[in-house]
Amino acid sequence: QQQVKQSPQSLIVQKGGISIINCAYENTAFDYFPWYQQFPGKGPALLIAIRPDVSEKKEGRFTISFNKSAKQFSLHIMDSQPGDSATYFCAASILGSNYKLTFGKGTLLTVNP
Amino acid sequence: DTAVSQTPKYLVTQMGNDKSIKCEQNLGHDTMYWYKQDSKKFLKIMFSYNNKELIINETVPNRFSPKSPDKAHLNLHINSLELGDSAVYFCASSQEIAGGWYFGAGTRLSVL
Repeated sequence: QQQVKQSPQSLIVQKGGISIINCAYENTAFDYFPWYQQFPGKGPALLIAIRPDVSEKKEGRFTISFNKSAKQFSLHIMDSQPGDSATYFCAASILGSNYKLTFGKGTLLTVNP
Repeated sequence: DTAVSQTPKYLVTQMGNDKSIKCEQNLGHDTMYWYKQDSKKFLKIMFSYNNKELIINETVPNRFSPKSPDKAHLNLHINSLELGDSAVYFCASSQEIAGGWYFGAGTRLSVL
């Protein structure tokens, strides 16, 4: 049973465009939703995270939109740059309970110059 | 100064051998993890330790044995390596209340 479903599997965007990656979760007890960025040969790096008490969080060009009733959240990358080309993972967890971080299957983003 | 460091970065070995991967974190976190990333890049948790105590064991074969000598270190020993063990293994740490899992650079294990 896949608890966090991520789409699309791959995404190609032109430089300057908006990249949108979507995730859906099943466990309503989840209360922490991070996004990770992974470059080839590197470990996943925390990009931005949101708690369910807010519907949106923005950090620079990266925005998380969160819809609690639909159990969905998404990552928007504005003004996408070739340096943003990486694999992006959404994840979910329950804070304060020693609960694991459960990942989506990842999205390979390619930003063409 | 690297927050989560694991060694070695690459490990190439023959089937049937035993190998170990070491991990250290200097973030003062209470919880450490081992994740496995397969060829399709799927990240799956294997083990979790909180303050040297095993918390999560996700139906991993008992050929895999984690060991946490103190809360800053979590090592992974693998016995009788099989072809299917080839993957990238990531160590991570977190402070449960605050959130934020931090990952090492990974160990790419190739079993021949």
